[in-house]
Amino acid sequence: DAMVIQNPRYQVTQFGKPVTLSCSQTLNHNVMYWYQQKSSQAPKLLFHYYDKDFNNEADTPDNFQSRRPNTSFCFLDIRSPGLGDAAMYLCATSREGRTGGIDTQYFGPGTRLTVL
Amino acid sequence: AQSVTQLDSHVSVSEGTPVLLRCNYSSSYSPSLFWYVQHPNKGLQLLLKYTSAATLVKGINGFEAEFKKSETSFHLTKPSAHMSDAAEYFCVVSGPNFGNEKLTFGTGTRLTIIP
Repeated sequence: DAMVIQNPRYQVTQFGKPVTLSCSQTLNHNVMYWYQQKSSQAPKLLFHYYDKDFNNEADTPDNFQSRRPNTSFCFLDIRSPGLGDAAMYLCATSREGRTGGIDTQYFGPGTRLTVL
Repeated sequence: AQSVTQLDSHVSVSEGTPVLLRCNYSSSYSPSLFWYVQHPNKGLQLLLKYTSAATLVKGINGFEAEFKKSETSFHLTKPSAHMSDAAEYFCVVSGPNFGNEKLTFGTGTRLTIIP
């Protein structure tokens, strides 16, 4: 089945120790997103790729970076995690529709990050 | 600008009774609207979406929603609740078409099912 896969599902890191979260997709979608979701809150968009074009949200901290080496994979790098970065990180994908708009976003299962 | 308001942060219903989760939206153009469900420690799963076709939208697991432009509402309903429906539900409106759609999420409604 076509899907969005996130690895690992649970990640524990230490304060200040860099961490990388992974997302892959078999949907062949050209748009990929990273969201941060803190407890009992709605997901918050960090950034997204439209093909290879990177689009950062204005309020995303510099501590968060992303890489998309090819269509299928996208990575979220947190350079120096703080306690406030503990959250669920969700990857989503979508494709450009025929009329130019973007179709539905499909989400992966998420990676829960714990910062000690 | 666009926004979405989920009128109830928490809804409790008994198993086998109807479910109603309320959502109102604000948009300066014809929106696309979605309901997503999130079970504990899981990602978001699409329940249904409205994209200017039929105003009554049927989704998975027996859920449906009706788009009412005059009331700017997109309420989610299910005739008979099941224990497995216990989850967080998000009403979502799509962003303006700059070539990159952004989603605006409601604050979520936690649905509890009473045995």
